Amino acid sequence: NAGVTQTPKFRVLKTGQSMTLLCAQDMNHEYMYWYRQDPGMGLRLIHYSVGEGTTAKGEVPDGYNVSRLKKQNFLLGLESAAPSQTSVYFCASSYLAGNTEAFFGQGTRLTVV
Amino acid sequence: DQQVKQNSPSLSVQEGRISILNCDYTNSMFDYFLWYKKYPAEGPTFLISISSIKDKNEDGRFTVFLNKSAKHLSLHIVPSQPGDSAVYFCAATTPFGNEKLTFGTGTRLTIIP
Repeated sequence: NAGVTQTPKFRVLKTGQSMTLLCAQDMNHEYMYWYRQDPGMGLRLIHYSVGEGTTAKGEVPDGYNVSRLKKQNFLLGLESAAPSQTSVYFCASSYLAGNTEAFFGQGTRLTVV
Repeated sequence: DQQVKQNSPSLSVQEGRISILNCDYTNSMFDYFLWYKKYPAEGPTFLISISSIKDKNEDGRFTVFLNKSAKHLSLHIVPSQPGDSAVYFCAATTPFGNEKLTFGTGTRLTIIP
């Protein structure tokens, strides 16, 4: 039972490079989320999706794009990476809206140099 | 503006004693509150939750208390065990736009054997 799987787990990018983070869940959840965790800032929502084909902006969406072409996958893209995007990124999914427990992936540690 | 605040970045407690983690919120529309636990290099995992219609919820060694008038909640762990050493995040959601959680900045709990 894999739950929520994020790839890659680690990545180093040069400023200006692009990359895509992949999140896959096997629990048939409608809701999926991308968060970033920074020291002293807690978890901040980047983008989220309430179902296949839908996306919405969260608290800190600038510099990121997302897509939810399949229900089980939620992709986070960085078109032109900046050092300010150095962070740990977490994907999460939930069956219902935010007032039920969300299941998180193991995280992706991204460093932009 | 930090709507969910955990003012203690760290807490150390002797094994077997009670651990009390605190959380304050400013948004009076929050009606559901959750605690998540996070070990290093892992994603957060759901621990316990409470609805605003209750003032207490208990699950084994974990109890969450909610004081709506003070906009304050706390997590009690009794007795504390070494495996409880982790970062604890408080989170809240509203009945509207409840697709997402608002997280606090976290408290690192260390249980001293």
